[in-house]
Formats: sequence, structure tokens, C-alpha cells
Amino acid sequence: NAGVTQTPKFRILKIGQSMTLQCTQDMNHNYMYWYRQDPGMGLKLIYYSVGAGITDKGEVPNGYNVSRSTTEDFPLRLELAAPSQTSVYFCASRRTSGRLNTQYFGPGTRLTVL
Amino acid sequence: KQEVTQIPAALSVPEGENLVLNCSFTDSAIYNLQWFRQDPGKGLTSLLLIQSSQREQTSGRLNASLDKSSGRSTLYIAASQPGDSATYLCAVRHETSYDKVIFGPGTSLSVIP
Repeated sequence: NAGVTQTPKFRILKIGQSMTLQCTQDMNHNYMYWYRQDPGMGLKLIYYSVGAGITDKGEVPNGYNVSRSTTEDFPLRLELAAPSQTSVYFCASRRTSGRLNTQYFGPGTRLTVL
Repeated sequence: KQEVTQIPAALSVPEGENLVLNCSFTDSAIYNLQWFRQDPGKGLTSLLLIQSSQREQTSGRLNASLDKSSGRSTLYIAASQPGDSATYLCAVRHETSYDKVIFGPGTSLSVIP
């Protein structure tokens, strides 16, 4: 299993540009998440999905959109990039059941908006 | 609103020392608490998960405790090694809104050989 994979690893955007951060997991997990991590801060939840076709907002959804057309993929879309969106973005997934229902994280995408 | 804090923000210890990392949370209505390790430029790796009904969990040299009523958790690392150098984050999952996971800011640990 590759686990959770994210592309790209790094990206520099100009203000107003758009892009899609890709996330794929091969563990057949129903739940998937997008977080952002700012320097010296914990992770903040942007959006999450409990299964294909179902998404919901987290703590900081403004400026982002998501879709979940398949179990494996959960892309994050930035429509009009702003400097405040400079951050490291992590995708995660987990099973829906089980006591040890830990999240598995991807390696992250480092985004800079200039 | 749940807030999670971690003290200290950074810690530097000589190799071989035992150490304790602290995590505090303001809302005791949690389902579980999890400790993660984050290496520079990498994602998070789960270390220990404690359900709200449990008091502690152990894995190798790591021991995590949970005092739900006082809103505290500690991560104890025995006989620290340079390979333990990383940032350690705690995260709490809400009791009913299972996908409301709130992360602390992390403690950056350096173990000096």
C-alpha cells in the first residue's frame, strides 16, 4: 500500500491564481480530511468527507472547495489564491469503525502565494 | 470552543534523559486523545491513541496518560535518543462530533547526542 499520497510537494502561486491539490489513498478508507498547518501552529481542518459524494466544512473552509467523486480521491481546490493561504496542506484518511481509528497522513504540500 | 495547548513549545535534552511533554484541553467532552510525531517536512505519524475511558497507553519507550476531568495528557519518553528528535502534537476528538479533531501547536523536541 502506498497509503496517502499528495501532489505536488511544493508550489508557488501568484495572487489570484487557482490550483488543485491532489490527494489519493489506497486503503479503502471512507473518511478523508484536508488540514492546513501554519508555522508554529497545530493543524486546522478545512474540509472533510465521510464517503464518496459527501463533503462537509471544517474550521477554516473559506477560500477552498472540495469534491469526492471516488473513495480514493479527495482533491482540494483554491480558486483565487491569497497570501493568507500560504501554508502546508495535509491530507488524511481513516477507517469509519474500530477503536484504533487513527488517521493516516500524507507527506504534505507546501504552498506559497506571492 | 475546544482549545488545545502544549507546553513547552520547545525542549532540548541530552541523550538518555527521561522527559515529559504536556497537553491541555479546555473541553472534557472528548472521545479520544492522540499523540502524533512529525518529522521536518513530513506528515504526521500516530504514536498513541487513548480512548476517553482509558487512563494510559504504552508503546515501547512511550507512555501516554489521560486525565479527562482535569483536561490533561502527558507523553512520557524514557531513555531519549537522538532519533526521537521531532515535533510532537496532541489532538483531541470530540465526544459526539467525531470529525472535530482539534490539534495542539506541538512541542519541538531536540535530543542532543
